[in-house]
Amino acid sequence: DAGITQSPRHKVTETGTPVTLRCHQTENHRYMYWYRQDPGHGLRLIHYSYGVKDTDKGEVSDGYSVSRSKTEDFLLTLESATSSQTSVYFCAISAQQGASNQPQHFGDGTRLSIL
Amino acid sequence: QKEVEQNSGPLSVPEGAIASLNCTYSDRGSQSFFWYRQYSGKSPELIMFIYSNGDKEDGRFTAQLNKASQYVSLLIRDSQPSDSATYLCAVIDRSASKIIFGSGTRLSIRP
Repeated sequence: DAGITQSPRHKVTETGTPVTLRCHQTENHRYMYWYRQDPGHGLRLIHYSYGVKDTDKGEVSDGYSVSRSKTEDFLLTLESATSSQTSVYFCAISAQQGASNQPQHFGDGTRLSIL
Repeated sequence: QKEVEQNSGPLSVPEGAIASLNCTYSDRGSQSFFWYRQYSGKSPELIMFIYSNGDKEDGRFTAQLNKASQYVSLLIRDSQPSDSATYLCAVIDRSASKIIFGSGTRLSIRP
């Protein structure tokens, strides 16, 4: 398995509170991604990073921010959580972006519930 | 129109038969194509990738790509109960800047 660790694995919190999810990799891969997965929507990209301090938005970035201060860590922050952000969040990594032989590998996911 | 479309299923196939999963994509300039398997409550796991027209075989799995018709399919021969999962089709867009996932097809193999 690719060395990807997500924490926490489960979290329940209240609307309006800040939440930070962490993705840690041991593969030294350049690219890291945050997705959310909801029934009927599949995986949707929130933000991604192409290097330390280099990040860009995905298709569902509103309400989320990210930071990458080290190659191995990619943080996803919900500044003020809302119930619509209840979801399963996956982190993924890849050595190259868009390369056919360098697909993304996923972490085990974080199940987040906003009450 | 969704960029990557899959029938959500469930697709029910008897054990030992061939399961055929299909995926269509809207961007004719799309490049590489992937199939991921996801068991309930687990993360997606890559099982196949293909970037040239034609077939690519790996064990019981065959990926088929037809760029002119903009579809990619996955065949699973000798289906086993352990193949019961959701299968996600993913496509790299023409700019190679992002990978786009379909919503997945749920496959159920009945004994």
